[in-house]
Amino acid sequence: DTGVSQNPRHKITKRGQNVTFRCDPISEHNRLYWYRQTLGQGPEFLTYFQNEAQLEKSRLLSDRFSAERPKGSFSTLEIQRTEQGDSAMYLCASSKDVGTQYFGPGTRLLVL
Amino acid sequence: QKEVEQNSGPLSVPEGAIASLNCTYSDRGSQSFFWYRQYSGKSPELIMSIYSNGDKEDGRFTAQLNKASQYVSLLIRDSQPSDSATYLCAVNGPLGSGYSTLTFGKGTMLLVSP
Repeated sequence: DTGVSQNPRHKITKRGQNVTFRCDPISEHNRLYWYRQTLGQGPEFLTYFQNEAQLEKSRLLSDRFSAERPKGSFSTLEIQRTEQGDSAMYLCASSKDVGTQYFGPGTRLLVL
Repeated sequence: QKEVEQNSGPLSVPEGAIASLNCTYSDRGSQSFFWYRQYSGKSPELIMSIYSNGDKEDGRFTAQLNKASQYVSLLIRDSQPSDSATYLCAVNGPLGSGYSTLTFGKGTMLLVSP
């Protein structure tokens, strides 16, 4: 059983640059979620998809953030004009309908 | 008001003891409750899920839910040093999301000493 995968695992970028992360969910899961986690905090919800439809976005998700899930398979999260405050672990999770969410290994972003 | 609250710890227990982790939540509409374990630098790993009032046991782990008190707990029996991690309580919600997403507490750090 293949779990959730995320790439890259680590990303270092300079302030102002754009970055894109990819998430591949568990194959039979139709829901895909993005969370962000900073040190000492629990994961915070960013957005989620059911199949290819983006059903909800958190108010935490500024206009610089965009997510897609073409064809309801993998998803990408892009951050434009990165800021130092964007430094965090970006976590992807997937579930079958409203079932249990399983997390990928995360992408750790550092903005210099 | 914070939606999911946990003591940040650290909670220190000796090897072989019972570790008790607690969580309260504010949204009475929540129906699904989860405990995730997170090792330093790693992603959350599901330990237990519970949906009904009462106890649910899985090996050394027991989750307890009291919806009237809006309280969830996790007991770890025969604690091992490998249990040392941060334990995250997660609750489905909020209402605005149709209860489709998870709201997490900040986590409780557990330290099990040999």
